[in-house]
Amino acid sequence: GAVVSQHPSRVICKSGTSVKIECRSLDFQATTMFWYRQFPKQSLMLMATSNEGSKATYEQGVEKDKFLINHASLTLSTLTVTSAHPEDSSFYICSAREGGSRVHFGNGTRLTVT
Amino acid sequence: GQQLNQSPQSMFIQEGEDVSMNCTSSSIFNTWLWYKQDPGEGPVLLIALYKAGELTSNGRLTAQFGITRKDSFLNISASIPSDVGIYFCAGQRGNNAGNMLTFGGGTRLMVKP
Repeated sequence: GAVVSQHPSRVICKSGTSVKIECRSLDFQATTMFWYRQFPKQSLMLMATSNEGSKATYEQGVEKDKFLINHASLTLSTLTVTSAHPEDSSFYICSAREGGSRVHFGNGTRLTVT
Repeated sequence: GQQLNQSPQSMFIQEGEDVSMNCTSSSIFNTWLWYKQDPGEGPVLLIALYKAGELTSNGRLTAQFGITRKDSFLNISASIPSDVGIYFCAGQRGNNAGNMLTFGGGTRLMVKP
């Protein structure tokens, strides 16, 4: 079946540094990818919708200058957390749309900012 | 974003028991999805429902798309320890806007052997 690869699975960084998370669709082309954030014991909250070749659409309350999204190709979207702070520590999950309504999730990235 | 109302929030049951959880919304969805999430991993799709009234099974799992298109339930029969995890419902409104998913708050299932 369709696979979405998310990398890295875990990352620890110091406060003030930037972290890039990659989301790749391995065997299909994804014109649309989604980025979610999940805090402990909570549901997935959509951060932004990423369309290949155009600017991402951010949900209300998500700072676009802090969470930079680049969807440069049909198989890759990246999320960069800039100037990370401890409150950015969370589980970040991407998903990719494989035509129609089928959506496939990555395995998530656990970000810890110290 | 808006969440669906999912209940119960958690369940602690004995192995072999049946489980039922549901999601409701104040607005209509055209697709209902049920996912399971294990700790530290992304959600995995269990069942997808595309038509109001549809009842679909996947092994011991059964899910239904409510007639009003505002609700869905998931049943797990004869639970086993590996059913432990968090179950999320999700709704999709249509074919536009990239098919954004709206998630329920999750049901944490714990199974006692």
